[in-house]
Amino acid sequence: EIVLTQSPGTLSVSPGESVTLSCRASQSVDSKYLAWYQQKPGQAPRLLIHAASNRATGLPDRFSGRGSGTDFTLTISRLEPEDFAMYYCQQYGNSPRYSFGQGTKLEFK
Amino acid sequence: EVQLVESGGGLVEPGGSLRLSCAASGFTFSTYSMSWVRQVPGRGLEWVSSTTDSGGVTYYADSVKGRFTFSRDNSKNTLYLQMNSLRVEDTAVYYCQRLINGFFDSWGQGALVTVS
Repeated sequence: EIVLTQSPGTLSVSPGESVTLSCRASQSVDSKYLAWYQQKPGQAPRLLIHAASNRATGLPDRFSGRGSGTDFTLTISRLEPEDFAMYYCQQYGNSPRYSFGQGTKLEFK
Repeated sequence: EVQLVESGGGLVEPGGSLRLSCAASGFTFSTYSMSWVRQVPGRGLEWVSSTTDSGGVTYYADSVKGRFTFSRDNSKNTLYLQMNSLRVEDTAVYYCQRLINGFFDSWGQGALVTVS
């Protein structure tokens, strides 16, 4: 079973700063099948990144993903007020077929 | 614009049944795999089930296998999640998604299922 561990659990930052969120897999994940989502309170998750580094349509280039194997990151540059949310990584594999990390909360410092 | 609208959520007693629906529009529904993901309020995301474009192959999380049935009607652009033998731990918001190459590119607004 592939377990995704995100760190840190909570990140306190200020607008204008840059942050890097981590997603570590318990086994190697094909980078084609690693995605990132953003979720704001009361809303459904929204796809940000797929295939580890491909931005979803319309996503600002302030968001970038990278990584391979067991280590993946999401970097958000020049934080805007609307970026403060929960972020989840997700993998597609065999067991379980799809799994999510537990999330990283980005909050105002 | 892709739209996914869930319905059918509500309050049900343990051991009871409920059927969720997800109406899709804005894309060629019959050519996409689809999925359900749930979220306990205030908690993380858990994949529940996925099916292929024809509905011919369906996968389930171990936590719901044997109790939930995922089906689709491509003539009505609608997904169904039949949930039987519901447990308190099935309480969650259930989202339907369009599934592409292992990721969920569009999500519905969710339907709350409360088992109590």
